[in-house]
Amino acid sequence: DADVTQTPRNRITKTGKRIMLECSQTKGHDRMYWYRQDPGLGLRLIYYSFDVKDINKGEISDGYSVSRQAQAKFSLSLESAIPNQTALYFCATRVGPNTEAFFGQGTRLTVV
Amino acid sequence: GQNIDQPTEMTATEGAIVQINCTYQTSGFNGLFWYQQHAGEAPTFLSYNVLDGLEEKGRFSSFLSRSKGYSYLLLKELQMKDSASYLCAVRDGGGGNKLTFGTGTQLKVEL
Repeated sequence: DADVTQTPRNRITKTGKRIMLECSQTKGHDRMYWYRQDPGLGLRLIYYSFDVKDINKGEISDGYSVSRQAQAKFSLSLESAIPNQTALYFCATRVGPNTEAFFGQGTRLTVV
Repeated sequence: GQNIDQPTEMTATEGAIVQINCTYQTSGFNGLFWYQQHAGEAPTFLSYNVLDGLEEKGRFSSFLSRSKGYSYLLLKELQMKDSASYLCAVRDGGGGNKLTFGTGTQLKVEL
């Protein structure tokens, strides 16, 4: 089993719908992150969390919200999806600031 | 603000050596990471530099010059499986210690 698991792997949704992307990890890391990846723009940070009671906005948090339900779970919500949120979304975890990030396999989201 | 520059694409021949450059201008610096990403897959960690100099790990080496805001990833004995995107990421000096990624360099290895 993967250390960082994202569900769903692929999703097509309609404009205006609410959607939740889920991430769970078995690595025991406190730090969790949500990124989106668009062609030509690289990975951009949406939200991050250093523990269950800690939520921080990244560079592109507008239109998104997150919930850290437990150390192992970090979910990303799009309250009202719009087409320009079509992207590849990655969840990642790290044990500390000087350490590598471990990424989930990604969720390909299409908003039509 | 953060600015990280990498070439968009590079092509190299199997068995050769290729150097992928990364320049950065960030508000504070606490280390630089290189990741490899095959199409449609998750990025995977290659190397981490926080001090000036060369870090070698098998066929892959990474170099950092903090005074120049410059790093490179060196891939030796290229194999077809090395065809992938290579992402440079800088950890900033702020309290969040966030990683900012470059847009990646798409490397194509040809016969």
